[in-house]
Amino acid sequence: DSGVTQTPKHLITATGQRVTLRCSPRSGDLSVYWYQQSLDQGLQFLIHYYNGEERAKGNILERFSAQQFPDLHSELNLSSLELGDSALYFCASSARQGIGELFFGEGSRLTVL
Amino acid sequence: AQTVTQSQPEMSVQEAETVTLSCTYDTSESNYYLFWYKQPPSRQMILVIRQEAYKQQNATENRFSVNFQKAAKSFSLKISDSQLGDTAMYFCAFIPGGTYKYIFGTGTRLKVLA
Repeated sequence: DSGVTQTPKHLITATGQRVTLRCSPRSGDLSVYWYQQSLDQGLQFLIHYYNGEERAKGNILERFSAQQFPDLHSELNLSSLELGDSALYFCASSARQGIGELFFGEGSRLTVL
Repeated sequence: AQTVTQSQPEMSVQEAETVTLSCTYDTSESNYYLFWYKQPPSRQMILVIRQEAYKQQNATENRFSVNFQKAAKSFSLKISDSQLGDTAMYFCAFIPGGTYKYIFGTGTRLKVLA
């Protein structure tokens, strides 16, 4: 158990819909990262938050947005969903800037039909 | 640009044998951290081993060890006495010290054969 909690674990929805994925980092971790992993692909970095502030953006579509709340949990919002958005979405947290490993949640598997 | 290259998309090894997964990276930083992650069929990302660049000694974790060649910017993972449970995708990653940016390789799919 990494200590990072993601909900929901599985989500099936239709094209055009909007979903919200939630992540609770490990206790005390200030950094939250979101990654997208399509089937049999590598990890695509989406966005990083540190203590409530956005610090870096990767290949995140304009239809996607995220935020980190004062209690440090984070949400990734995906809107106007397309078939190609079907993927495993990982949240990960780390304790300090640039030191140490990422701790990953179990992922949220999104299926868009 | 800082990059991580895993040149072996797929590998296989017989159970109980030893296998080495390669990883090279490119950075101008002198302080950084390197990691190997395992992603089994369950898709959970699990940290296998980590190495601090300032440490000359190669990290080991039970059957897993690394060969860290800083000058060559190489960070290979050796799995000894391979077990069926080692079947997974393995990702090499690094982060320059003091930054937020983790950089992952494209992964090596390892299959352990009975």
